[in-house]
Amino acid sequence: KAGVTQTPRYLIKTRGQQVTLSCSPISGHRSVSWYQQTPGQGLQFLFEYFSETQRNKGNFPGRFSGRQFSNSRSEMNVSTLELGDSALYLCASRVFGRDNSPLHFGNGTRLTVT
Amino acid sequence: QKEVEQDPGPLSVPEGAIVSLNCTYSNSAFQYFMWYRQYSRKGPELLMYTYSSGNKEDGRFTAQVDKSSKYISLFIRDSQPSDSATYLCAMSASRGNMLTFGGGTRLMVKP
Repeated sequence: KAGVTQTPRYLIKTRGQQVTLSCSPISGHRSVSWYQQTPGQGLQFLFEYFSETQRNKGNFPGRFSGRQFSNSRSEMNVSTLELGDSALYLCASRVFGRDNSPLHFGNGTRLTVT
Repeated sequence: QKEVEQDPGPLSVPEGAIVSLNCTYSNSAFQYFMWYRQYSRKGPELLMYTYSSGNKEDGRFTAQVDKSSKYISLFIRDSQPSDSATYLCAMSASRGNMLTFGGGTRLMVKP
């Protein structure tokens, strides 16, 4: 079974631009979550989607948004990029409905903002 | 103070050693505990997943949870150079998907 797939693997953007990252979950997984990983803050929860609805949201500004499609694939968008948005963005999926089934992560998209 | 504390290391051990990795936490609502391994330029890979207190063993890995002390551990027996990676503890409250991670411990196993 294929794992969580994230595209692109690397991105370089300029301050003020916006970016869209894509995630395809493991087949059969209907919940998708996004995390930001930086050396200073570690892994921080951004948001979770299930059935095209945002279920939970972390403590990030409104510039960070996401959505989920009917096939469970997800995208996250960051608008008006800041230097501090440079990070590894990780997508994770799980089987929703079981009591807190574990998350399985993709290899991330490395975003660099210059 | 962070909700989940983890010694960043690096922890350097010889091949074959028993490795002990630990996390402490402050939120008594946490009930689900996980250990992830992350290699450079890769995403975290789930190693162990436990619910509430107790021990769980899987091959060379043993996870322990002591909720009364708010302390979790991961033991690696017969460590191998391929175990060299960053180990992340993570935890969540019931029916929650919002994992709270420790900062990770970098482990180096030397041949």
